Amino acid sequence: NAGVMQNPRHLVRRRGQEARLRCSPVKGHSHVYWYRQLPEEGLKFMVYLQKENIIDESGMPKERFSAEFPKEGPSILRIQQVVRGDSAAYFCASSPIIWGSDTQYFGPGTRLTVL
Amino acid sequence: TQLLEQSPQFLSIQEGENLTVYCNSSSVFSSLQWYRQEPGEGPVLLVTVVTGGEVKKLKRLTFQFGDARKDSSLHITAAQPGDTGLYLCAGAPPGSGNTGKLIFGQGTTLQVKP
Repeated sequence: NAGVMQNPRHLVRRRGQEARLRCSPVKGHSHVYWYRQLPEEGLKFMVYLQKENIIDESGMPKERFSAEFPKEGPSILRIQQVVRGDSAAYFCASSPIIWGSDTQYFGPGTRLTVL
Repeated sequence: TQLLEQSPQFLSIQEGENLTVYCNSSSVFSSLQWYRQEPGEGPVLLVTVVTGGEVKKLKRLTFQFGDARKDSSLHITAAQPGDTGLYLCAGAPPGSGNTGKLIFGQGTTLQVKP
C-alpha cells in the first residue's frame, strides 16, 4: 500500500460519540481521497482534498461528516454523533497528480464499529 | 444504479481452474483499473487499461479493455489459493473532469480452494 498510513486501524464508538480518522499520505503526495466501504460492497467515493482545500465533496453525507487536509499534519475525516449506519471501513488514498488514470495508493483502512 | 457492474459477485473454484471476471458499464471510460483487496487491507492496484482493445498480462492474470471502452475483463489461468480475495474494477466517472475520484464496481469475491 505504498506508504499511506491510517490510524487507528480499528475504532469503536457508541452512538452519539465523535469519530476522528487520520490519514498520512505518501510523502510528497498532495492529493487525498476518502472512500467508505460497507461489508461485501465496493468502495464509495466521499471526498477529495488538496492541501487546505476541499476540491470535491459530492460523496459526503450532508450532515455530521467533515474532512480537512491542513497545511501541516494528516488529513482528518470527522464523524460527529455517530450512528450504527456509520459502521464501515474507511479508506484513504493519495496520489501525486489528479488525472483519473493515475495510481491512487490506498491505506489499510480504519474499521469503525458503532455500538 | 451501479455505474460499473461486476459479475459474478461470488466465485468459488478449485485450484488449477480458470476463471473470468467481468466489469461492464453503459458509459465510456477513459481508463479502467483493477484492484485486489485482501481481508483487513486496502485495495492494491493490479493494472490500468487505457486504450480500447488493450490487453495486459500480469503473470497468470490477463486484463482486457473493450473496444468501446465500456467494459473490461480479468481472466485468471490456473488459479491458486493465493489468488483468493476481492477483485474490484474502478474508473473515473464520465464528466467528472479532473477530480481524480474513482467509482468502484461492487467487487467479485474469489475463493480458490486447494
